[in-house]
Amino acid sequence: GENVEQHPSTLSVQEGDSAVIKCTYSDSASNYFPWYKQELGKRPQLIIDIRSNVGEKKDQRIAVTLNKTAKHFSLHITETQPEDSAVYFCAASIGGGSNYKLTFGKGTLLTVNP
Amino acid sequence: DVKVTQSSRYLVKRTGEKVFLECVQDMDHENMFWYRQDPGLGLRLIYFSYDVKMKEKGDIPEGYSVSREKKERFSLILESASTNQTSMYLCASSLLGGLTGELFFGEGSRLTVL
Repeated sequence: GENVEQHPSTLSVQEGDSAVIKCTYSDSASNYFPWYKQELGKRPQLIIDIRSNVGEKKDQRIAVTLNKTAKHFSLHITETQPEDSAVYFCAASIGGGSNYKLTFGKGTLLTVNP
Repeated sequence: DVKVTQSSRYLVKRTGEKVFLECVQDMDHENMFWYRQDPGLGLRLIYFSYDVKMKEKGDIPEGYSVSREKKERFSLILESASTNQTSMYLCASSLLGGLTGELFFGEGSRLTVL
């Protein structure tokens, strides 16, 4: 089955700096790659996703890049703010996103220091 | 707003007890999932269901079973709870055939097995 590796497990940045979280996946057939954010004590929520026919997607301060050849994808957060502090999970699936089984990475605890 | 409701936020059970975790969603989603969340291990899929009375094993189904008698309700059953099943359990739902594969999570049920 699919295996998703996520690095780093913890990341601490100063407010205003950029943060990058990287994931690799094992199954070349995977074609849907979402990112979820889980604030302390809350449920995970989708923040951005990308499909395999796209190399990059941006949404305000958040961007995701995908390298299908290398089988890795990354989350980029610019101008970090304290409210970006959370656990971030990457995931991968086969099936185009709406009929699929997601495999998650182990998560990255991002701390943004004021 | 999609609402996924898990019946119990906190449960304490004894080894060998039968445990039911209930999940209800109100958006007529076809897909429902049960994940287990443990520190450093991320979100691991236990079981999922694409339709009423249908179930499929995820990555860690051992020691668990599920029931989906109605479209809106997906139950996770621990036939004989063990201490290694102490964890946070997250239910999620998603729309089959939707534009995105977004998972909507419940707030979680924290189970402690003594």
